[in-house]
Amino acid sequence: DIQLTQSPSFLSASVGDRVTITCRASHDISSFLAWYQQKPGKAPKPLIYAASTLQSGVPSRFSGGGSGTDFTLTISSLQPDDSATYYCQHFRSYPLTFGGGTRVEI
Amino acid sequence: EVQLLESGGDLVQPGGSLRLSCAASGFTFSSYAMTWVRQAPGKGLEWVSHVGNTGNTYYADSVKGRFTGSRDNSKNTLYLQMNSLTAADTAVYYCVKRDSSGWFHYWGQGTLVTVSS
Repeated sequence: DIQLTQSPSFLSASVGDRVTITCRASHDISSFLAWYQQKPGKAPKPLIYAASTLQSGVPSRFSGGGSGTDFTLTISSLQPDDSATYYCQHFRSYPLTFGGGTRVEI
Repeated sequence: EVQLLESGGDLVQPGGSLRLSCAASGFTFSSYAMTWVRQAPGKGLEWVSHVGNTGNTYYADSVKGRFTGSRDNSKNTLYLQMNSLTAADTAVYYCVKRDSSGWFHYWGQGTLVTVSS
């Protein structure tokens, strides 16, 4: 099974800061990785798919990078609305798995 | 507009059974794989089950042998039959439409399953 390790699990930053979340896969998953944002009481919202493709309607301050085993989600200029928990998820093979999540506090 | 409406969540006793449904609309249901994802209270996301557009299935080890995913393409509905439930199955269950490339594109609002005596 492919395990995904996200870091950090929590981060606190200020409006306008550049923040980066990392996701490490236990095996090569090529670019079969997506990122999701979840706010309390709501369903997750897709941000990035295929490691670096921005989902339609997602602000351009979000970007994704990496391939193989190491991936990043970067928010170039943190906004108040970005307070949420972020998850990476692979879809390379079954079982599909999520990272443990990163809670971002503004 | 894609809509996914889950139903069937309830309070059930340990060892009991429950069937969740997900009514889909706004897309050609029979052409897309679907997935169930759950989230225990205060915890992260956990993939539960994949149901392919022709009905092929995959399961997380935590539910294999107890849960059965299925679909009725004539009714545009996805199902999750859950048996031998334990407290560890307490969670919000989300129905998800997968993109043709595999990522989780559209999510329902979720339905709460509580397993408790």
